[in-house]
Amino acid sequence: GAGVSQSPSNKVTEKGKDVELRCDPISGHTALYWYRQSLGQGLEFLIYFQGNSAPDKSGLPSDRFSAERTGGSVSTLTIQRTQQEDSAVYLCASSLGSSGGSSYNEQFFGPGTRLTVL
Amino acid sequence: SQKIEQNSEALNIQEGKTATLTCNYTNYSPAYLQWYRQDPGRGPVFLLLIRENEKEKRKERLKVTFDTTLKQSLFHITASQPADSATYLCALPNTGGFKTIFGAGTRLFVKA
Repeated sequence: GAGVSQSPSNKVTEKGKDVELRCDPISGHTALYWYRQSLGQGLEFLIYFQGNSAPDKSGLPSDRFSAERTGGSVSTLTIQRTQQEDSAVYLCASSLGSSGGSSYNEQFFGPGTRLTVL
Repeated sequence: SQKIEQNSEALNIQEGKTATLTCNYTNYSPAYLQWYRQDPGRGPVFLLLIRENEKEKRKERLKVTFDTTLKQSLFHITASQPADSATYLCALPNTGGFKTIFGAGTRLFVKA
């Protein structure tokens, strides 16, 4: 597609339920990032993929959060046993690559998934 | 630890004036710095990247400076327009360059 797409655009769930958020990056982009943004706050890094592997999972808030990427393309962020503090906008971005000092690091963001945990 | 600071207070300016936003960082020496624009309800959009060996970068009405001694970047919008109203984020790679750290952003309001 022309840009990064995310689904669903909005998700309302009950506390304790599991949710899956999907990201479809720009074709050919090897790097994929997940961020979380709470209302009025900056972007909080969650996880980064290079291809199918995740060399940096340092931002995942707890073991309830996991992510995978298959075929070097689509990625899924899963939140198990959701809590109210998980409510936020989850943003996905992709870039051509991720090597220090390179303009390959320009990130293209999707529109986000707004998650509300009741 | 690596830290990025942007002015959390909103910047209000009159149309036609130059807006100047500041990004300060501490505890590391990034190879480059990026600026993004974010509109309400949307993901950030890349604007400019400036490398550590570049003092200044321009793109249309935008100008970015990068002072590695002061550990500061300034982002200027000349001849500002109401359509420039948005939140502007600076972003830097962490040590190792595999992750991007974003500042909290500065909200700009341009009044007609």
